[in-house]
Amino acid sequence: DAGVTQSPTHLIKTRGQQVTLRCSPISGHKSVSWYQQVLGQGPQFIFQYYEKEERGRGNFPDRFSARQFPNYSSELNVNALLLGDSALYLCASSLDSNGGRWSQYFGPGTRLLVL
Amino acid sequence: QQQVKQSPQSLIVQKGGISIINCAYENTAFDYFPWYQQFPGKGPALLIAIRPDVSEKKEGRFTISFNKSAKQFSLHIMDSQPGDSATYFCAASPGYALNFGKGTSLLVTP
Repeated sequence: DAGVTQSPTHLIKTRGQQVTLRCSPISGHKSVSWYQQVLGQGPQFIFQYYEKEERGRGNFPDRFSARQFPNYSSELNVNALLLGDSALYLCASSLDSNGGRWSQYFGPGTRLLVL
Repeated sequence: QQQVKQSPQSLIVQKGGISIINCAYENTAFDYFPWYQQFPGKGPALLIAIRPDVSEKKEGRFTISFNKSAKQFSLHIMDSQPGDSATYFCAASPGYALNFGKGTSLLVTP
């Protein structure tokens, strides 16, 4: 079975631009979460979506937004890019948003570099 | 603030030895504690996870020990192998968002 897929794998943008990252969850998984991982640190939670609704938001500015589509895939948008947005953006999928079937499985990530 | 504190930052273990990584948390609402393994250029891979109603969980060479009263949990890697060399992250969650530690870079020498 295919795991979580993300596109693109790498991206270079300049300050002030906007970027859209895409994620396809594991087949049958209805929940998608987004994390930001700065080099040398653990991932930081950005959003969780379940059944197309936002279920949780981390401590990130409004420049970050996301959505989930009827096929459970998801997009993360970041506007007005700053140098500090350079990071590995990870998508994770899980069967449900809570409860016992809660294991989150991560994709390979999108490496974003802001110049 | 860092909700999950992980130590050590780096660890060197000889092949066949036991690798031990420790984590501590404060939020008593956390009820799910996974460990992830990450290789350079890859996303984190789920290794093993535990809920606070058990004190230990073993899967192959990997064991989680959990101390609810001390709010601490640890990962033990038995018979460590060079292929285990990676960064390990503990995490904790109250139900949706994972709160990660800063990671431990493990090097297993031949």
